Amino acid sequence: LAKTTQPISMDSYEGQEVNITCSHNNIATNDYITWYQQFPSQGPRFIIQGYKTKVTNEVASLFIPADRKSSTLSLPRVSLSDTAVYYCLVGDIAGKAAGNKLTFGGGTRVLVKP
Amino acid sequence: ETGVTQSPTHLIKTRGQQVTLRCSSQSGHNTVSWYQQALGQGPQFIFQYYREEENGRGNFPPRFSGLQFPNYSSELNVNALELDDSALYLCASSSTTLVPPGNTIYFGEGSWLTVV
Repeated sequence: LAKTTQPISMDSYEGQEVNITCSHNNIATNDYITWYQQFPSQGPRFIIQGYKTKVTNEVASLFIPADRKSSTLSLPRVSLSDTAVYYCLVGDIAGKAAGNKLTFGGGTRVLVKP
Repeated sequence: ETGVTQSPTHLIKTRGQQVTLRCSSQSGHNTVSWYQQALGQGPQFIFQYYREEENGRGNFPPRFSGLQFPNYSSELNVNALELDDSALYLCASSSTTLVPPGNTIYFGEGSWLTVV
């Protein structure tokens, strides 16, 4: 599974856009990029997943350049409730061979201030 | 919300005892895995079950064992508990019959284990 590097922490203010960049230089051809959000004492919550270019859903966008060696999670107009740890994960998650073997790093602690 | 339910939510055990944690996977999900999350750290993969067999294991000793049942629910058993086993234990489920993005991995809310 590809190793990921992301900032340890980020501060932001309500209403701002937060962009978290994750580096994954040794990403493999079959690897997908997945982001999770985790609040204290709760399980990680799926945010978004992508393979290349741009993916957007109701809560976030994921930008993946052509070389796929990095990705950026974009949270538009954050609120206080977006304060959490955000994890970037890379892996071949399709099929039973890899299945659920996610490798979590330390994540990025995002603090949204009023 | 995710359809993955874990029990119990909190428990306290004494060093040397044994504990069993339970997980019901999301409907239609046939793969279950378990993670250990110590305070302030990211989750660490313990093992995965598919078709009632373990098919992947992280760096955890044999006293960590598991089961998967025909209905895809699962148990995590930890024997000879140590103080360092105190952590949040997370269960995650997914389906091998779906392709991305349908094969999203969903986590339960976890079971907090305190070993004293």
